[in-house]
Amino acid sequence: NAGVTQTPKFRVLKTGQSMTLLCAQDMNHEYMYWYRQDPGMGLRLIHYSVGEGTTAKGEVPDGYNVSRLKKQNFLLGLESAAPSQTSVYFCASSFTGREQYFGPGTRLTVT
Amino acid sequence: KQEVTQIPAALSVPEGENLVLNCSFTDSAIYNLQWFRQDPGKGLTSLLLIQSSQREQTSGRLNASLDKSSGRSTLYIAASQPGDSATYLCAVRPRGNNRLAFGKGNQVVVIP
Repeated sequence: NAGVTQTPKFRVLKTGQSMTLLCAQDMNHEYMYWYRQDPGMGLRLIHYSVGEGTTAKGEVPDGYNVSRLKKQNFLLGLESAAPSQTSVYFCASSFTGREQYFGPGTRLTVT
Repeated sequence: KQEVTQIPAALSVPEGENLVLNCSFTDSAIYNLQWFRQDPGKGLTSLLLIQSSQREQTSGRLNASLDKSSGRSTLYIAASQPGDSATYLCAVRPRGNNRLAFGKGNQVVVIP
């Protein structure tokens, strides 16, 4: 099993550009999550999904959109990137109520 | 709102000493608590998951305890090794909530 994979690993964007981060898991997990990690702020939940076709807002959802068209994939979109969105983004997945498994992260810089 | 605290933010220990990492949380109504390890520039690796009905979990040199009533968990790493150097994160899943609340982590350095 590959576990949780994230694409791309690194990206540099200019302010106002858009991009999509892809998360894929091969563990048949129902739940998937997107977090961002910033120095001194810890991990914060952006959006999450409890199943195919469903999404919900987390702690810091503004400026991001998500889609879960297939159970194994969870996409995070930035429509108009801002320097405040410079961060490391992590995807995670889990079965209901069980431990979360994390991907390796995407390091995004917005200039 | 559930608040999770890990103190100290950073610590160093000589190789061979036992490591004790503390996590405290403000609301005892939790579903489970999870300990993670994060190496620099890497993702999070799950170490141990303790369900609310459990008092402790063990895996090799790692032991995690949970005291819900006092809002505390302790991660104990026996006979520390330089390879244990990493940041350790504690996360709590509140009851009735699908989200994890994370602490900011303990950055550990084991000195050879």
